This record gives sequence, structure tokens and C-alpha cells, in this order.
Amino acid sequence: GAGVSQTPSNKVTEKGKYVELRCDPISGHTALYWYRQSLGQGPEFLIYFQGTGAADDSGLPNDRFFAVRPEGSVSTLKIQRTERGDSAVYLCASSSRGGNEQFFGPGTRLTVL
Amino acid sequence: AQSVTQLDSQVPVFEEAPVELRCNYSSSVSVYLFWYVQYPNQGLQLLLKYLSGSTLVESINGFEAEFNKSQTSFHLRKPSVHISDTAEYFCAVSEPGGSYIPTFGRGTSLIVHP
Repeated sequence: GAGVSQTPSNKVTEKGKYVELRCDPISGHTALYWYRQSLGQGPEFLIYFQGTGAADDSGLPNDRFFAVRPEGSVSTLKIQRTERGDSAVYLCASSSRGGNEQFFGPGTRLTVL
Repeated sequence: AQSVTQLDSQVPVFEEAPVELRCNYSSSVSVYLFWYVQYPNQGLQLLLKYLSGSTLVESINGFEAEFNKSQTSFHLRKPSVHISDTAEYFCAVSEPGGSYIPTFGRGTSLIVHP
């Protein structure tokens, strides 16, 4: 079956602009996670959804970052007033309810000029 | 709070040589441990995991890792590497139950030379 997909694969934007990053999880997976991976670092947790609700958003760095999952499937990570420091690869992962294995998408590389 | 330390940022080896990628963790509770691999231009893939039971876990492509509670380590080993093993390897720890949100190490780049 299809894995986790993320669009776009690359996004270049200018400082101060708004961006949206999309994640399509594996069908039937109720849990969805967003991570940020900076160059030379491991993935850093941002937010976790169980169904439609954000069960844990403790990793969001500030209020410029927001994520939604209105129908419990596709999720969108939204970044307002982007800054150069937001440049990173944004990873999405999904897992089944109660599952301890996360399946990762290929990521979206965000570059803020 | 939990943390993961991967001491080696890069490990260069020759093909068919053995390799060990080191991982140490800290946690105040029992843990689940994972190794993920990221091949060039691809997403992270689970390589192997320790949840409970036997402390030695193996992957389908010849890697193995041993959970050592006393040394709080989960080192990854392979007796003979291939060029195709060249990738970034991430160790991760999570707590049983709940959201399984893992904490990742910063990664070790395994570079296999012919």
C-alpha cells in the first residue's frame, strides 16, 4: 500500500511569508506526528495528533507554528511570518492506534531566503 | 526527560569490514529503543527495535543491536558492511505507552568505501 506522502518536496520562500506543508498519512493510521530536522541534527518533535485533535503540541517552537488535521487524515503544518531559522526538513510520520512503530514520509525541505 | 547520545557523527569503513555505531540514552523510566536508517534522498525507515524480551534484536539486512540496561546503551553492529549500507543512522528512545513520541539522537553517518 501507499506510504506517507508529503507535499511539496521542496519549498523556497521569502522571509516573512506564510507557508503550508501537507502530509498524507498511511490510510487507517490514527496517529500523526510532525518533526523538524535541521542540518546535522536528528528529527525534533513538533506536534502529535490522535485522530483530529492535537494530543501533544509541546514541541511547537512558538505561536507562528500551527497544525491542523480536520478530518483525522491529512494534516497541514502552517508557518506564519517565516524566518531564516525555520529552514529545515519537515518530516511527517504516522502510526496505527497503539502502534509503537512510526512510518515516515520523505519530508519537505523548506528554505527561507 | 529522556535523551540520546550518538558520539560519532561520522564512521568511515571499508566494504566487508565490521562496524559499530554507538548509542547511549538516559531515561528515568523503562524504555523502548529504535534504530532508524535514512538513505540519501529518502525518508527515515525503521531498522530494528527493542521493546521487551531478548536484549539482542536483529534486522533483516544483517544489523543487530543489544540493549544493555546497566550501561544504558543500544549499540548497532554489523559484521560485514556493504556499499549499500552507506546512510545516516539515528538512534531513538521512547517511553512505553501513551504517544510513543521518540527522542532522536543527532545521527551517525556511515560511509562505506570500496
